[in-house]
Amino acid sequence: GAVVSQHPSWVICKSGTSVKIECRSLDFQATTMFWYRQFPKQSLMLMATSNEGSKATYEQGVEKDKFLINHASLTLSTLTVTSAHPEDSSFYICSAIPGTSRRETQYFGPGTRLLVL
Amino acid sequence: AQSVAQPEDQVNVAEGNPLTVKCTYSVSGNPYLFWYVQYPNRGLQFLLKYITGDNLVKGSYGFEAEFNKSQTSFHLKKPSALVSDSALYFCAVSLYYGNNRLAFGKGNQVVVIP
Repeated sequence: GAVVSQHPSWVICKSGTSVKIECRSLDFQATTMFWYRQFPKQSLMLMATSNEGSKATYEQGVEKDKFLINHASLTLSTLTVTSAHPEDSSFYICSAIPGTSRRETQYFGPGTRLLVL
Repeated sequence: AQSVAQPEDQVNVAEGNPLTVKCTYSVSGNPYLFWYVQYPNRGLQFLLKYITGDNLVKGSYGFEAEFNKSQTSFHLKKPSALVSDSALYFCAVSLYYGNNRLAFGKGNQVVVIP
């Protein structure tokens, strides 16, 4: 149980295009999902908290117009990287929690590798 | 500010030997602590967590961790390391304020030598 999927697993795009990444909780409902960015051999950087039915909460320094987040259902959150540039190339990982308590375990997706040419 | 520290960049251990990955924390209130493992080009897999109760927590794949309040530590341990345990290990603490957000340590690369 507690499986989170991401699609696509990797994507290559041209500079200036937009890329959408999907995060799905497969066997539980998640009112809250998180989006992280990870650079090679580094820790995860939390980008934003995605809340079902409301606006996402972005971490300081993360451009909300650049990284659009939509959490339209209890099992799906999407991250759209708009007008992508080479510096947006990274490993993007989502996570989801099955409840609202601070005790809840975050379950992570397998990640999406984005390469912007 | 709440945070976790993983002091070592890399831990090398011979196969069959005990494995320890260190983590210390700094939080307000009661800490909720987690360990995750990441294999190359993959997301994080949950290993174990400490919420309350016994200080020794047992998790997946034979891993365990000991919560030590006086030393503010939550070290990850495995009695006998396997080559397949070679991966990146992250300690994390649930932030007291902030909507279930986690603060992650920088991660420790574990290399198990055959």
